Amino acid sequence: QLQLQESGPGLVKPSETLSLTCPVSGGSISSSSYYWAWIRQPPGKGLEWIGSIYYSGSTDYNPSLKSRVTISVDTSKNQFSLMLSSVTAADTAVYYCARRPMHVVYFEDWGQGTRVTVSS
Amino acid sequence: QSALTQPRSGSGSPGQSVTISCTGTSSDVGGYNYVSWYQQHPGKAPKLMVYDVTKRPSGVPDRFSGSKSGNTASLTISGLQAEDEADYYCCSYAGSYTFVVFGGGTKLTVL
Repeated sequence: QLQLQESGPGLVKPSETLSLTCPVSGGSISSSSYYWAWIRQPPGKGLEWIGSIYYSGSTDYNPSLKSRVTISVDTSKNQFSLMLSSVTAADTAVYYCARRPMHVVYFEDWGQGTRVTVSS
Repeated sequence: QSALTQPRSGSGSPGQSVTISCTGTSSDVGGYNYVSWYQQHPGKAPKLMVYDVTKRPSGVPDRFSGSKSGNTASLTISGLQAEDEADYYCCSYAGSYTFVVFGGGTKLTVL
């Protein structure tokens, strides 16, 4: 059974960089069959796709966040990570990591989510 | 403001059927058969309920069904049960540049 578990600081100061990691258990991040994604949900609002990465390192980002986002993969640790720079209060959200099968456009497995608050 | 428009709320009594709409444009919902629906209970992660407009993942009851007409996709839940009370989000492919967009979510109440 695949398990995804987001981890990282729950509080980040404005203008700093938000960093989260998603270790993958019960499956290999090096599988050629999947993309690995980050999705967020501001309090009381809908979902927003942040970006995705393939095990080879190939990435796709939401155009609205692209200038501030970096998603990376560490196959040796079987995990992938998110960095979001120059954060503001608008970046306060629950951040989810998820798995998307290749050649499809849906997210079939999700982590439980981690709440990140941007505040001084 | 979300890219796809959903009603903020909906309701139904146990045993009834309810339909949740998701309206986009010809650049997303109307242009591709890649609409998915997610169920989210409070404090929980979203769960995939329908994908590719009409398909159900293994384990999802056949009470959940999806459809699409033009730029509007719909999720219908028949034989409503108490455990169906949750937030529902639609999602659509929106081309290689934007990739995916989500709806703002519909809070479904089982009366």
